[in-house]
Amino acid sequence: GDSVTQMEGPVTLSEEAFLTINCTYTATGYPSLFWYVQYPGEGLQLLLKATKADDKGSNKGFEATYRKETTSFHLEKGSVQVSDSAVYFCALTPRRGNTPLVFGKGTRLSVIA
Amino acid sequence: EPEVTQTPSHQVTQMGQEVILRCVPISNHLYFYWYRQILGQKVEFLVSFYNNEISEKSEIFDDQFSVERPDGSNFTLKIRSTKLEDSAMYFCASVLAENTEAFFGQGTRLTVV
Repeated sequence: GDSVTQMEGPVTLSEEAFLTINCTYTATGYPSLFWYVQYPGEGLQLLLKATKADDKGSNKGFEATYRKETTSFHLEKGSVQVSDSAVYFCALTPRRGNTPLVFGKGTRLSVIA
Repeated sequence: EPEVTQTPSHQVTQMGQEVILRCVPISNHLYFYWYRQILGQKVEFLVSFYNNEISEKSEIFDDQFSVERPDGSNFTLKIRSTKLEDSAMYFCASVLAENTEAFFGQGTRLTVV
């Protein structure tokens, strides 16, 4: 079945460091790929998405590129801030109507000043 | 900005008791979902609801679970006789149309003692 694997956390970085959170997926066909973020005490929010191979999703300085050849969708940010501290979830949905999201386990990021 | 609202934010219940988790989706959305996250594990799909009926459910969603949209606004998840392993964060989500963004509530933390 469809699945998402993302790197284990927690990840602790200093402010202005470079961030990469790895995400790989297994799916039949061509899924849509997402990164969701959960800030402390809040719900899941869509951070960015990509719907086809080689698409790059971007938002708030974060980027991820849909790599079909490596079945990956790694999240990157060039310079993290303390306010980026949150849990990040990689997810996919297969392209067959409005099917539910399949999530990874989540990666907790802590950014220290 | 419209948002999905879940109540209560935290519910503690005794094993064997019934609980009802409530969600108010975004008003013009058509697809509704419940997910759960056991501490330290993946966010897992439970059930989706469209056109006043269940459209898809996971293996987790057994006879102990039920969903309702009783009044056209609330979307509830009932657990008939809670077990310790039902302790988790439960998320509600709503979607406007196929292949559009899922909006999540802040979650209800259910603790079964």
